[in-house]
Amino acid sequence: TAGITQAPTSQILAAGRSMTLRCTQDMRHNAMYWYRQDLGLGLRLIHYSNTAGTTGKGEVPDGYSVSRANTDDFPLTLASAVPSQTSVYFCASSDSSTSGANVLTFGAGSRLTVL
Amino acid sequence: GQNIDQPTEMTATEGAIVQINCTYQTSGFNGLFWYQQHAGEAPTFLSYNVLDGLEEKGRFSSFLSRSKGYSYLLLKELQMKDSASYLCAVEDSNYQLIWGAGTKLIIKP
Repeated sequence: TAGITQAPTSQILAAGRSMTLRCTQDMRHNAMYWYRQDLGLGLRLIHYSNTAGTTGKGEVPDGYSVSRANTDDFPLTLASAVPSQTSVYFCASSDSSTSGANVLTFGAGSRLTVL
Repeated sequence: GQNIDQPTEMTATEGAIVQINCTYQTSGFNGLFWYQQHAGEAPTFLSYNVLDGLEEKGRFSSFLSRSKGYSYLLLKELQMKDSASYLCAVEDSNYQLIWGAGTKLIIKP
């Protein structure tokens, strides 16, 4: 089934440890995004990539890094996790190269708890 | 600043009609989206409005008034499976999506 695969589904992490959330899409979408979703808040963009080889900072980039070595993969790394990074993380992709609505397809999410 | 407002929670009865409102203040406007998100799942695309007026798609319709910074999502013939959160998002002049916190819709039999 075409779509976005995120791993892990959930993870408990000790503060200060590093963690990489993986995201792979098979739709050949040019644009990919990482969001975090916290109770009572809208989705907040962490980092994005409009095309392979380029990345950009979103609304809440501090403490996170990304890379886009190829079209399909867009991993999100927490170098030194802190409890405020406890959240549900969603990876998304879109085909922003065509005209019309830039519709996002989301992965199933990764629930991260930092203790 | 940029802001999207929508009610936190709404309750409706199975078979009825419900209207979920969304008001926005953003730096420019390039379109408004509605997404549905069931508990513990990913958001999925429902509708897109870029021009004023009503877009109908089966039991779901979405309305936009750009002059008023206002949209609503109308759900007809409610079914239990419509219990979910509904997220309003606006694409600003930089083509960035600004998201509302979502409206949790509870359907009662």
